This record gives sequence, C-alpha cells and structure tokens, in this order.
Amino acid sequence: DTGVSQDPRHKITKRGQNVTFRCDPISEHNRLYWYRQTLGQGPEFLTYFQNEAQLEKSRLLSDRFSAERPKGSFSTLEIQRTEQGDSAMYLCASSPSAGRGNEKLFFGSGTQLSVL
Amino acid sequence: DAKTTQPNSMESNEEEPVHLPCNHSTISGTDYIHWYRQLPSQGPEYVIHGLTSNVNNRMASLAIAEDRKSSTLILHRATLRDAAVYYCILSSTTSGTYKYIFGTGTRLKVLA
Repeated sequence: DTGVSQDPRHKITKRGQNVTFRCDPISEHNRLYWYRQTLGQGPEFLTYFQNEAQLEKSRLLSDRFSAERPKGSFSTLEIQRTEQGDSAMYLCASSPSAGRGNEKLFFGSGTQLSVL
Repeated sequence: DAKTTQPNSMESNEEEPVHLPCNHSTISGTDYIHWYRQLPSQGPEYVIHGLTSNVNNRMASLAIAEDRKSSTLILHRATLRDAAVYYCILSSTTSGTYKYIFGTGTRLKVLA
C-alpha cells in the first residue's frame, strides 16, 4: 500500500494558462474524490468518482474545471484559463466502496497551485 | 448537506486529556460521524468514525450523544504531535453516493 500520490506537489502558473494535476489512488480503491483547500479553511468538495463514472460535481465548480478518471484508476483535474482565485491546495482522496458512508478516506499530500 | 459546528481553536497541556466538541443538529439517520485531522502541509488523515455507539481505537475515542446531534472526540493524553486541525464530518448521501463535507475545524494547540 503506497498511499495516494499526487503530482506535481507545487505548480506556479500565470493567469490564463491551463494546468493539469494527477492523482494516483490506492490500488483497488473504487472511489476517488477531489477537494480544494484555501488557507485557513477546511477542504471544499469538488467532485467524486465511482470507478470511471463521475457521480457528483459541486455547484461551486465552474466550467473551467474538468476531471476525468478514464480507466477507473488514476484521475486528472484540469483547470482552464486559470484565475488568481484558483490559487489553493488541491487534494485527492480515495476510498474503498461498497459501504454506507463509513469508508475511510485516504488523502494525498496535495498539489499547491499558485496563479500569478 | 448536513453541517457541523466546531470551536475555532482549543488549547491543551501535554499529557492531559482533550475533549473536542462537534455539533451536528441536522444529522440524518444514515449519516456517519467522522473525524479527521490535518497536520501542517499534509492532507487530512483519518482518526475515527461512528454511527450511534461510542467508539475507541488506538488514536482516540468518539463519544456520540444519544440524540446524535453532537459528538466529542477524546484524545486521552495529548502529545505535541497531536497539534493539528481536527475536522468533524458527516458522510452525506445524495442519491446513493456519499460525499464528505468538511467544515473549518478546530485548531488544537498542545502546550509543553
């Protein structure tokens, strides 16, 4: 069990550029979550996958954000035309499924995005 | 989504017990109560969870009120390594999918 891996750890970009983050969940974990966290706040739910299906997406997520999990393994989160307000820590978590909301979430260390 | 309310911060002396409260008055019958903690520059890590009965594990204990509208995370002997932000979370179900909604948490400071 190697844990949840996120890449890159840090990303600095200029406003208007596109960025893509990758998350490798714990193998055989069916569920994958993306969260965003700004300084002093708790993680904010963005979206959730069950295998390759994106089952829920936060209303707060603008059309500039898109996430995929093409083969039910790793996932990518893309932000198009970045804005300074997108600067945050982007966290990925995975969990096994087949429960009733009692699964443990395993988080990665996150990708820190800075938009200049 | 059901929400939780926690104090912004708490302090404890090292090697003393700590009781971290959480209110969740809108909890539904199927919502589990989870606690996670986040150390600086790390992702959150699981601490404990429960549904109705009190729970114990090697890290902590979870005391759940009889009406389930509040709960308390108990660290039996706080150490400096327990200094972190502690989040009380409900697993909220929508159409059969589960998402975990974090609040702002309680920042625990442990004094040597």
